[in-house]
Amino acid sequence: RKEVEQDPGPFNVPEGATVAFNCTYSNSASQSFFWYRQDCRKEPKLLMSVYSSGNEDGRFTAQLNRASQYISLLIRDSKLSDSATYLCVVFVSGGYNKLIFGAGTRLAVHP
Amino acid sequence: DAGVTQSPTHLIKTRGQQVTLRCSPKSGHDTVSWYQQALGQGPQFIFQYYEEEERQRGNFPDRFSGHQFPNYSSELNVNALLLGDSALYLCASSSGTGGRPEAFFGQGTRLTVV
Repeated sequence: RKEVEQDPGPFNVPEGATVAFNCTYSNSASQSFFWYRQDCRKEPKLLMSVYSSGNEDGRFTAQLNRASQYISLLIRDSKLSDSATYLCVVFVSGGYNKLIFGAGTRLAVHP
Repeated sequence: DAGVTQSPTHLIKTRGQQVTLRCSPKSGHDTVSWYQQALGQGPQFIFQYYEEEERQRGNFPDRFSGHQFPNYSSELNVNALLLGDSALYLCASSSGTGGRPEAFFGQGTRLTVV
């Protein structure tokens, strides 16, 4: 089983739609969680950090369920510019800043 | 404030050759991690350097080695290149001294092995 699992998609949604991605992780010692956005052939960029039960930033809401070991990302009022791959990332301590990435969920927003 | 910089941006090498990739971390960061990202996959952790030492290593063969310099910059070396080493190589910098664990990435080096 992969340490971080995501639905690869693609999710094809019209502008203005609300879309949600889920991510599950296997290491119960995971401490922090992140969503990164990656555009085609570009580097990942930090979208949101999730340290407690959730975080909201404008149209983006991330939620964490430690008991079930999953994280979700909700995007409201989708824009064309939201089209990208969204990477779920888990931070495992043990003394080191080790980030474990999911394979990503692809989102395509169309007019 | 310079972000994470990597060089070169693109590279083409022949099987069996050796390659060196370079990374300068974000100002204020002392930890450098290297990732390999194959097409359609998420980044895979190669190793991490802190205080000029390899602190942790992912599931990569010894052909992959690295180095960190006193100014925190880092190199990734890959020997005896295989076709399967073709990928985007990403460098991420973070703070290893109790700071927040968020990592910031350079633009990557796209390596093609032919």
